[in-house]
Amino acid sequence: AAGVIQSPRHLIKEKRETATLKCYPIPRHDTVYWYQQGPGQDPQFLISFYEKMQSDKGSIPDRFSAQQFSDYHSELNMSSLELGDSALYFCASSEGADGNTIYFGEGSWLTVV
Amino acid sequence: AQKVTQAQTEISVVEKEDVTLDCVYETRDTTYYLFWYKQPPSGELVFLIRRNSFDEQNEISGRYSWNFQKSTSSFNFTITASQVVDSAVYFCALSEAVDMRFGAGTRLTVKP
Repeated sequence: AAGVIQSPRHLIKEKRETATLKCYPIPRHDTVYWYQQGPGQDPQFLISFYEKMQSDKGSIPDRFSAQQFSDYHSELNMSSLELGDSALYFCASSEGADGNTIYFGEGSWLTVV
Repeated sequence: AQKVTQAQTEISVVEKEDVTLDCVYETRDTTYYLFWYKQPPSGELVFLIRRNSFDEQNEISGRYSWNFQKSTSSFNFTITASQVVDSAVYFCALSEAVDMRFGAGTRLTVKP
């Protein structure tokens, strides 16, 4: 079965640069989530979208923004990158929200040097 | 605010032993959902189980079983006859509405 697709899988950026992560949800899934997992940490919720509208917001820095497009794919834009942004970024999707099972992509490893 | 506690940071067992991973949650909602995910060394998050707050039936799937007890706000996960491939970080998570919040995770090491 098709899973959540994330790209790129690995990304190296310098401080103060900008990075964009892409996410393609499972077909027919209308809800997308972004999570950030630092080394040795649990995944932290950043933001979610339902039917292309932001549905919830977590601990997403102001330097980050995200959107969901008409084809339901989503992009996470990160600007003025800091060393502390180095993490594994997960995109996840579900069919609707309200506790439906959330399936995760394989993650995008971002390293800021 | 919702909260998930996995008090066991690391557990090490020898292959074929049974092991239970604890999860305690806090929520003010009457409707909520509990999950377990497995994160192997390769990094992906693998969905294991979802349980809603109105379904307290325990579940068994092969060597995996889950014990949900609302009275103690716990959703524990047991692996029977553990195998080396079970070595991973296991996360318990709670969802009240849209987003899902994770516990800190338990790192399970199964030695041959």
